[in-house]
Amino acid sequence: GQSLEQPSEVTAVEGAIVQINCTYQTSGFYGLSWYQQHDGGAPTFLSYNALDGLEETGRFSSFLSRSDSYGYLLLQELQMKDSASYFCAVHGNTGKLIFGQGTTLQVKP
Amino acid sequence: ETGVTQTPRHLVMGMTNKKSLKCEQHLGHNAMYWYKQSAKKPLELMFVYSLEERVENNSVPSRFSPECPNSSHLFLHLHTLQPEDSALYLCASSQENRGEQYFGPGTRLTVT
Repeated sequence: GQSLEQPSEVTAVEGAIVQINCTYQTSGFYGLSWYQQHDGGAPTFLSYNALDGLEETGRFSSFLSRSDSYGYLLLQELQMKDSASYFCAVHGNTGKLIFGQGTTLQVKP
Repeated sequence: ETGVTQTPRHLVMGMTNKKSLKCEQHLGHNAMYWYKQSAKKPLELMFVYSLEERVENNSVPSRFSPECPNSSHLFLHLHTLQPEDSALYLCASSQENRGEQYFGPGTRLTVT
């Protein structure tokens, strides 16, 4: 089967750095995606890692270790608008995405 | 604006009604998806269409019936729904076999 684990909630202050971890079990693996979803909004694509290592896009970075079945999303210089839910999703050999439960990030002033 | 539109944005229907949700993508993608998102639950994949053919039906009850007339349009036909079907229904599109999907704003469905 396929499963993903990520923390349910994370709290951090404005300007800080926060890391959201994701571990997965899957029968096939093409890559790991991250999505952001604000309350009442649609998920928005953030990043996709197919190979090991760090991908950086502005204040957000995503890391993948395929040997450890592990990835993380790193958010730097946190802003209040970063308060949202963050989902990791495995792109498996069936070609579809399997989403984690989501991590609710609360950024405090 | 992601290039994926959904209508209606909100829908209230009785258990005996029949309604349809519509999704349209303007991104030139060749795969489209329906997801269900309930409170406190992850996104659940319902259906996948690739090149206008249904390639995935994730054990969804027959009261949900998808239709993909062309690569830009996707419908979800609803009939005799149950209150537990109340949820946010999201449409997404992508290039086939890519982990990057673009979501529409969703239809908030309430079944009374």
